[in-house]
Amino acid sequence: ETGVTQSPTHLIKTRGQQVTLRCSSQSGHNTVSWYQQALGQGPQFIFQYYREEENGRGNFPPRFSGLQFPNYSSELNVNALELDDSALYLCASSFWAGEETQYFGPGTRLLVL
Amino acid sequence: GDSVTQMEGPVTLSEEAFLTINCTYTATGYPSLFWYVQYPGEGLQLLLKATKADDKGSNKGFEATYRKETTSFHLEKGSVQVSDSAVYFCALSDRDYKLSFGAGTTVTVRA
Repeated sequence: ETGVTQSPTHLIKTRGQQVTLRCSSQSGHNTVSWYQQALGQGPQFIFQYYREEENGRGNFPPRFSGLQFPNYSSELNVNALELDDSALYLCASSFWAGEETQYFGPGTRLLVL
Repeated sequence: GDSVTQMEGPVTLSEEAFLTINCTYTATGYPSLFWYVQYPGEGLQLLLKATKADDKGSNKGFEATYRKETTSFHLEKGSVQVSDSAVYFCALSDRDYKLSFGAGTTVTVRA
């Protein structure tokens, strides 16, 4: 069974640029959630995708957007990057949207200069 | 809204010592409770969970009991090892689509 994978592992961008992060869900899972983990803090929920539709969103501005594809992989897009967007971005998958247990990938560490 | 408060770290212990990390929560409903662990440079791994009051979650020698009367889910291990050095996160899911996490507790175990 393949776990959750994310790419890239590290990324450096400059303020104002746009970034796309990718996630492949665990085999058999159709739901993907994205979290932002700032240094020294707990993860904060960004949004969730279930069967290619957004299924809930946290307190993040619209410049954070996402997609889910028919194979249940997902992308997180962030436009107009700000310095405070520097963080570890975690993707988590679950068997379905009503399943509370989520399995996390290794994360993508984004640095905005 | 839902929130989790956990014991501030860092916590430094000697091998074979007893570990307790306190976690309390606030939720409007009847949440499921989780402990996740994050090893250096890695993502989060589910350590244990409990879905209703008085349930005890356990894994790898760690235990936590869901206490509704005190809204707590404290993590314990009777004899820690150097390999238990990590950041531990308490989290809840209140029957919706997201996990709400505490700020994390850094644990360092010295040989």
